[in-house]
Amino acid sequence: SQTIHQWPATLVQPVGSPLSLECTVEGTSNPNLYWYRQAAGRGLQLLFYSIGIDQISSEVPQNLSASRPQDRQFILSSKKLLLSDSGFYLCACTGGAGETQYFGPGTRLLVL
Amino acid sequence: GENVEQHPSTLSVQEGDSAVIKCTYSDSASNYFPWYKQELGKGPQLIIDIRSNVGEKKDQRIAVTLNKTAKHFSLHITETQPEDSAVYFCAASWPRGGSARQLTFGSGTQLTVLP
Repeated sequence: SQTIHQWPATLVQPVGSPLSLECTVEGTSNPNLYWYRQAAGRGLQLLFYSIGIDQISSEVPQNLSASRPQDRQFILSSKKLLLSDSGFYLCACTGGAGETQYFGPGTRLLVL
Repeated sequence: GENVEQHPSTLSVQEGDSAVIKCTYSDSASNYFPWYKQELGKGPQLIIDIRSNVGEKKDQRIAVTLNKTAKHFSLHITETQPEDSAVYFCAASWPRGGSARQLTFGSGTQLTVLP
């Protein structure tokens, strides 16, 4: 079964600073990959999904971007963070032809 | 797209009682319905799922029912225990196009099991 790694686990960044969050997947090939954001006490908002290397779709207009340089690596970035970017960021994947999404442990981001 | 509504937003039950969480969906093309449990500070964990060709599925104390005609599905937890306390999310999977399917999540239910 697949294992999802995310790092860092926690991050505190000043407004206007850049961001890079990384997600890597083990135990599956050709996964669909997803980035979600979860505000405190709220549901999950889909930010990006990818069906292959360099194939990324954005769901919500914002100052975030995503890249997939390798089959099992998904990166979430920003050039300049906003206060509203604070939240819990979750990476998820589906393996092969499956549609069950499995989630990583998440990264808690606080923008001050 | 899909719209999933989840109720209640909070639920408190006494230990040993049953808990029921209900969700409705809008897109008849949705055909897969997972449920996730999220503990504080952790990622959601899949606890049970059901496909549209099945009406009910059970795994020990957890069961899920699906009514395709009414477009609603429910999570049932029996003999609740304090460790069942968490936020529960329902979701519906619908075809986005190509090989991609997308999950739309409900807004979550905070379940508290009182000892």
